[in-house]
Amino acid sequence: AQKITQTQPGMFVQEKEAVTLDCTYDTSDPSYGLFWYKQPSSGEMIFLIYQGSYDQQNATEGRYSLNFQKARKSANLVISASQLGDSAMYFCAMREAGTSYDKVIFGPGTSLSVIP
Amino acid sequence: NAGVTQTPKFRILKIGQSMTLQCTQDMNHNYMYWYRQDPGMGLKLIYYSVGAGITDKGEVPNGYNVSRSTTEDFPLRLELAAPSQTSVYFCASSYREDITDEKLFFGSGTQLSVL
Repeated sequence: AQKITQTQPGMFVQEKEAVTLDCTYDTSDPSYGLFWYKQPSSGEMIFLIYQGSYDQQNATEGRYSLNFQKARKSANLVISASQLGDSAMYFCAMREAGTSYDKVIFGPGTSLSVIP
Repeated sequence: NAGVTQTPKFRILKIGQSMTLQCTQDMNHNYMYWYRQDPGMGLKLIYYSVGAGITDKGEVPNGYNVSRSTTEDFPLRLELAAPSQTSVYFCASSYREDITDEKLFFGSGTQLSVL
């Protein structure tokens, strides 16, 4: 069973508009962490934002915010004021308990295209 | 400040050949990871390590081996390469004990083709 679900394979957003990228996860571990990474066409992995399961407030980093709904097991990424440079693949990831140690797994990703 | 360094950047292998992908980090991170990314797909965890001498299997470990003899290095070994192992391989590291900043730092990737 997929542990991280990103149901939007592709998204389009108008420049300067806000966009929400969905991520739901599945874990029974009370302690976990959630990440969002951006992968532009150049292929590098760029860290955007992190949310710990015990954090009371939603994480924010500049134009990025994470809408964390623990009971619904969702960690959606909100990008405000989209820019052309935001066009990329976006991956949601989770640190979870492995068989012996914690590990980090990734979702399938969402391709975001920003339209001028 | 080098961060996570992967070598080589590109490699073509023949079916049945073996090779080692190198990964080294200079941030004294305890956790290191190997992922593969097939075209248009997400990253799949192959193996990971929580410190020197300690490794564990990820989601797709078959056909690979790892070792972690030092904190800095985490090589990935492909034995008997198969076309299904054609992929981009990413190495990453993190400092797991800092719960306020446990993000993964990634290398630039190795593009491997098995023909």
